[in-house]
Amino acid sequence: QQQVKQSPQSLIVQKGGIPIINCAYENTAFDYFPWYQQFPGKGPALLIAIRPDVSEKKEGRFTISFNKSAKQFSLHIMDSQPGDSATYFCAASTNGGGSEKLVFGKGTKLTVNP
Amino acid sequence: EAGVAQSPRYKIIEKRQSVAFWCNPISGHATLYWYQQILGQGPKLLIQFQNNGVVDDSQLPKDRFSAERLKGVDSTLKIQPAKLEDSAVYLCASSLGRGETQYFGPGTRLLVL
Repeated sequence: QQQVKQSPQSLIVQKGGIPIINCAYENTAFDYFPWYQQFPGKGPALLIAIRPDVSEKKEGRFTISFNKSAKQFSLHIMDSQPGDSATYFCAASTNGGGSEKLVFGKGTKLTVNP
Repeated sequence: EAGVAQSPRYKIIEKRQSVAFWCNPISGHATLYWYQQILGQGPKLLIQFQNNGVVDDSQLPKDRFSAERLKGVDSTLKIQPAKLEDSAVYLCASSLGRGETQYFGPGTRLLVL
């Protein structure tokens, strides 16, 4: 049973575009929602994370929008660049707001064309 | 600060053989994780250590997989005997403590023929 559903599976945008990646979850006990970025041949790296007491969080060009009632959260990348081309994973955990026991989505492969 | 180190980076074995992976976490990180990432999927937690004790191994196939972190620093993950479906990238991650940000190593890519 997949606890975190991520879409789309792949995404192609032009430089400067705003790709949006969506995730949905069922377990209302989840209390920590990070996004990871993974380049080929590398391990995932934490990009940005949110807790359910806020609806939006921005860090640089990356924004998480969180909708607790709909049990959905999304990643927006402003002014996307070719260097943002990577696979993005959403995740969720239930351990008191920390990052233990992370459950990952299946990933979205983003391609930003120059 | 050095990141999480893993070796080997690649390994090809035949089914029913055994294989071992090594992980050296970031210095001072008490918590260590092993994940399995099958092609096209997100990482799945196999086992979590706090120092040299196991916190969670509920998703570790214990009939063939084993892991240890004897001195609370380095860790090894072993598969014996390997099956075709074990082909995946095995990621090691570490964190300062439980619930802290996890930092991932580059992974070991295993191909079982």
